[in-house]
Amino acid sequence: DAKTTQPNSMESNEEEPVHLPCNHSTISGTDYIHWYRQLPSQGPEYVIHGLTSNVNNRMASLAIAEDRKSSTLILHRATLRDAAVYYCILRLPGDYGQNFVFGPGTRLSVLP
Amino acid sequence: EAGVTQFPSHSVIEKGQTVTLRCDPISGHDNLYWYRRVMGKEIKFLLHFVKESKQDESGMPNNRFLAERTGGTYSTLKVQPAELEDSGVYFCASSLYAGGPGDTQYFGPGTRLTVL
Repeated sequence: DAKTTQPNSMESNEEEPVHLPCNHSTISGTDYIHWYRQLPSQGPEYVIHGLTSNVNNRMASLAIAEDRKSSTLILHRATLRDAAVYYCILRLPGDYGQNFVFGPGTRLSVLP
Repeated sequence: EAGVTQFPSHSVIEKGQTVTLRCDPISGHDNLYWYRRVMGKEIKFLLHFVKESKQDESGMPNNRFLAERTGGTYSTLKVQPAELEDSGVYFCASSLYAGGPGDTQYFGPGTRLTVL
């Protein structure tokens, strides 16, 4: 399985931008990069995904390195509600959506 | 629109007993997945239904686990007999599409299972 590596934890101040890095040096050309987050006592929640180009949505932005061996999830203004574990997941090729491989993720703390 | 729901939210049973977990996916989602996180480990895939058919059950740990999805709506995951190492949080997810970039999975809140 293609693996991702993320820092175990990060800290941010409220209202400031947060850059969450993810390394995926063994990514293949067809792997999509997905980000999910897990708020306390909840199931994982979709954040964003991309293939090669940078992506923006209402929750976050995803910056993908040109060689695709790393990516960065950007929260433009962190709020207390953004405190969660963030997972960077490679969507492995396959006919069906079963191949979500979760790593340990990054635990983000947001300080008021 | 209602999200993925799971029942019960918590279950405490003794080793050797049977427990059945239920998942109701988002209406119209043909794809249903079970995952679990056991103590100190990462979230692991268990199996995937497409409608009522098991598409992939490669993550099921052993034959004490039985998943069903009769009629292609809700799903149940039965553990019989439960062992101590089955303790953890069991998540269900559903998606409209399967495969490709559009298969965003929507997760339920999970069922916390404790086996004593």
